[in-house]
Amino acid sequence: GQNIDQPTEMTATEGAIVQINCTYQTSGFNGLFWYQQHAGEAPTFLSYNVLDGLEEKGRFSSFLSRSKGYSYLLLKELQMKDSASYLCAVRDRVKAAGNKLTFGGGTRVLVKP
Amino acid sequence: NAGVTQTPKFQVLKTGQSMTLQCAQDMNHEYMSWYRQDPGMGLRLIHYSVGAGITDQGEVPNGYNVSRSTTEDFPLRLLSAAPSQTSVYFCASTPSGQAYEQYFGPGTRLTVT
Repeated sequence: GQNIDQPTEMTATEGAIVQINCTYQTSGFNGLFWYQQHAGEAPTFLSYNVLDGLEEKGRFSSFLSRSKGYSYLLLKELQMKDSASYLCAVRDRVKAAGNKLTFGGGTRVLVKP
Repeated sequence: NAGVTQTPKFQVLKTGQSMTLQCAQDMNHEYMSWYRQDPGMGLRLIHYSVGAGITDQGEVPNGYNVSRSTTEDFPLRLLSAAPSQTSVYFCASTPSGQAYEQYFGPGTRLTVT
């Protein structure tokens, strides 16, 4: 099975940087995803890590350490529109081809002026 | 492409009623899945399918049935609705393979009274 932990809520100021941590304990691991979800909307894909290290995509970066069961999502130059929930999800090893994901509870980020 | 579509957007059921939530995708994705999202619980996998004619249970399958007769459609059936099934339901699809993210439908908000 999978156990994924992330903080429930974080608050930051517009223009600042926020780091959202995610720790996982899994029986198998085949990649970690980060999704953004605005209130009342569907999740949208932000990043994917399968190897250790940092993946950068504009204002968003994601880091993975497989030996520590740890990832973080870094949001730089925060904008008001970044106020949303951020979901960490681990892809399990499955026998058949597929993309079976287990999600953490999500971190709600509130950006203040 | 319409992407992933879900109907209805909102539904109110009485305890004991049955209904089917519809999900369709026009991207020829092999993998489809159903999640439910409750406050503070993140997304939990109900059922998934790795191709037409193949389905399997996720984390919380009780009270739900699925079938996959075509690549495009993946309906979710509630057999006898219970208040505990009040939730937001998301359908998602993805091509098979490691690095592909899941594409989510807009969700169905279900209330069981």
